[in-house]
Amino acid sequence: DQQVKQNSPSLSVQEGRISILNCDYTNSMFDYFLWYKKYPAEGPTFLISISSIKDKNEDGRFTVFLNKSAKHLSLHIVPSQPGDSAVYFCAASERGSTLGRLYFGRGTQLTVWP
Amino acid sequence: GAGVSQSPRYKVAKRGQDVALRCDPISGHVSLFWYQQALGQGPEFLTYFQNEAQLDKSGLPSDRFFAERPEGSVSTLKIQRTQQEDSAVYLCASSLIRTHHEQYFGPGTRLTVT
Repeated sequence: DQQVKQNSPSLSVQEGRISILNCDYTNSMFDYFLWYKKYPAEGPTFLISISSIKDKNEDGRFTVFLNKSAKHLSLHIVPSQPGDSAVYFCAASERGSTLGRLYFGRGTQLTVWP
Repeated sequence: GAGVSQSPRYKVAKRGQDVALRCDPISGHVSLFWYQQALGQGPEFLTYFQNEAQLDKSGLPSDRFFAERPEGSVSTLKIQRTQQEDSAVYLCASSLIRTHHEQYFGPGTRLTVT
């Protein structure tokens, strides 16, 4: 049973525009959320994270928004660049977990075209 | 410094063969994770080590899967009597204990069982 869901398998955006990637979760014990980016033939690389005590975290062109009541988070990329084309995974970790096990969504393929 | 490395990068095994996949984590990283990523899916947790201690192996799909990290650094994931459903990318990740959510992934080993 998927506890982290990314319902859009793909997203296509023009360069310079905003990319919005969405993620939903079902487990109310999740309290830390991460976004990873993955290029072909490479492992996922950490992009940005947010704790459940916040509703927004920003790092350069990347902003993550968390809506706890809706169990929803989103990643905004502004402005989008062709180098952002990759698969983006949403991941979550359980409250009080000292082990750090991550639960991943299936990923969204982002394509940024010139 | 070097990132997480994994070997081999690709492995083809005949059904019934045993395989061993190696992971070299980032030096100084106490935590080590193994994930399995099937085609079109997100990474799924297999097992977790803190130093040499295997603290969580709840994600291992069967008793054919075995992992070890005898000296608290390099880890090996062994799959005995491989089956076609074992075909996947096996990802290793490591992290510092205090930021265990932010895991650094290796490039993965793509296992194909024929």
